[in-house]
Order: sequence, then C-alpha cells, then structure tokens
Amino acid sequence: DAGVIQSPRHEVTEMGQEVTLRCKPISGHDYLFWYRQTMMRGLELLIYFNNNVPIDDSGMPEDRFSAKMPNASFSTLKIQPSEPRDSAVYFCASSLTGRGSPLHFGNGTRLTVT
Amino acid sequence: AQSVTQLDSQVPVFEEAPVELRCNYSSSVSVYLFWYVQYPNQGLQLLLKYLSGSTLVKGINGFEAEFNKSQTSFHLRKPSVHISDTAEYFCAVRVYSGGGADGLTFGKGTHLIIQP
Repeated sequence: DAGVIQSPRHEVTEMGQEVTLRCKPISGHDYLFWYRQTMMRGLELLIYFNNNVPIDDSGMPEDRFSAKMPNASFSTLKIQPSEPRDSAVYFCASSLTGRGSPLHFGNGTRLTVT
Repeated sequence: AQSVTQLDSQVPVFEEAPVELRCNYSSSVSVYLFWYVQYPNQGLQLLLKYLSGSTLVKGINGFEAEFNKSQTSFHLRKPSVHISDTAEYFCAVRVYSGGGADGLTFGKGTHLIIQP
C-alpha cells in the first residue's frame, strides 16, 4: 500500500505566480480531501470530493483557489495568483465510504510564497 | 455544526510518567471520533478511533482513549510515555448527515513534550 502521494514536497514561488499541488489517493478510496495547516488557524478543510465530484468547497478561501479531480486516482489544488498569506502546509487525504472510515493523509506540500 | 476543543495547547511530561490529553466535542448528530499524531515534517497518522460499542478504545503505540457521551469527551491516555512520543496530537470528529459523510473537523492540537 503506497499511501496517499503528494507532490511536490516543497514549493517556493513568488507572489503572483500560479501554483499547482498534486495528489494521488489510495486506490479504492472514494473520498478525497484537501486540508491546509497553519500555525494560526490549525487544520482547515478546504474542499472534498466523493467519487470525483466536489461535495463541499465552502472552505476554499477565495476564488484564487480551485481544485479538480479528473479521475479516481488524481487531484489538483491550484492557486492563481499566489499570495504570501497562502504560505502553509497543504495536505491531501483519502478515505473509504464506510461509517467511521478514517482519513489517510499524505505527507503534505509545504508552500512558501515570497 | 460540529466542533472540537483541545483544552491544552502544550503538555510537558517526564519520561515514563502517565499522560492525558483532553478533547471535548460538540455535535447535534452522531459522531465518530479519532485521534491522530503528527511528527515533525510528516502527515497525520491515525492513533485510534471510536465508532461504537466499548467506550474504551485501544490504539497504536500504547495509547488508549475513553469515550464519554455525557461529558462529550474523548480523552487520550498513555500510562508511560517515551521520548519518541514527542509530537503534535489532534482530536477529530467525523459526522454523517443524510447526504453522506463530511470531512474530519480537527481540534487545534496538543503538543506533547517529553522531558528526560
């Protein structure tokens, strides 16, 4: 079991640039989640998908953020244009449908916007 | 809406001493409760979960947690801690509404510091 795979592990970019974060969920999982972690706000749920369909994107902070899941094995989180306040660790997680199914997290992408 | 409160942002404990990390939740529907651990520069790893049945749940690394419905608590305990337990610990709830499952709602985390 390869677990949830995120890339890149680290991303440093300049303000105004486009950033794309990638995630490969665990095979067979039908839920996929994007979280953001900062010291000030802790872990925040940005958006989640069920069977590749976005279910709740109320946590996406602004229109600069967008997420897609074109198929069951791949998702992207895009920030365009990026700003320094977007600096954070972004986690992808996946889970099965069953009640009480835990989320399995990737190792995260540390984003720094200068 | 559900929420999770971890009462202590930081807990210092001497090695081999017992520890309890506190967690309280609020929700208007049935919840499923989890504890995760995060080591530096890593993702979150599941420690244990409560779904139903016995209120005492055992997890990995010698941790256990007790679900108390009347007090809406899910405190994490370990009888004897080790230096390697130094990490951030997160309590979380997942709810299931008529439309399906929601994501996990996390507490702010408790930093467990083990002192030699």
